[in-house]
Amino acid sequence: QAQLVQSGPEMKKPGASVKVSCKASGYTFTTYYVQWVRRAPGQGLEWVAIINPSGGRTNIAQKFLGRVTVTGVTSTSTVYMELTGLKPDDTAVYYCARGFYSADVWGQGTTVTVSS
Amino acid sequence: EIVLTQSPGTLSLSPGERATLSCRAGQSVSSTSYLTWYQQKPGQAPRLVIYRTSSRATGIPDRFSGRGSGTDFTLTISRLEPEDFAVYFCQLYGDSQWTFGQGTRVDIK
Repeated sequence: QAQLVQSGPEMKKPGASVKVSCKASGYTFTTYYVQWVRRAPGQGLEWVAIINPSGGRTNIAQKFLGRVTVTGVTSTSTVYMELTGLKPDDTAVYYCARGFYSADVWGQGTTVTVSS
Repeated sequence: EIVLTQSPGTLSLSPGERATLSCRAGQSVSSTSYLTWYQQKPGQAPRLVIYRTSSRATGIPDRFSGRGSGTDFTLTISRLEPEDFAVYFCQLYGDSQWTFGQGTRVDIK
């Protein structure tokens, strides 16, 4: 069945960058968009970005423009989300999810902790 | 950016009771395809519950239903089961951006 498996937890210092991976399996990678969503402690879900793995076109939430880059590698069916200039309030669980208007398959989440 | 407001913030109900969750958009939604509901439990990834305003996702029981148009959308759980107590988020697509509501927590009373 379709599955998204994300990379492991990350601990970073303020100002650093983090790159989270999301490997797809069980479906044709180029057929579905992949979204990135995060949930900070005590907060709700926040949409970050989306990529069309067929062609690599992306759309980034206005809040993250200039700090987030999303890329896809079709040969490995993997999507990457890089966040630069990390701040303590970027501490969150980051999820990748398959779909455009709605996401039906989710990764398990990657905890990113930003602390000095 | 379209603002989504969910209400109430917390709903305290007993198993077997009916839950009605509201999601209001700051401007009229041009297509009902764009409104989605997710369920999230502690330590788990979100789970798709309703897509295109009223379509149940695979494996979602028929006690879950969604409706709405324009600016007002509703998720109803007809009879709460123990596994339904969770946080529910609505999500909307508009102007090439996706927005989540702040969530409604459904607690056991």
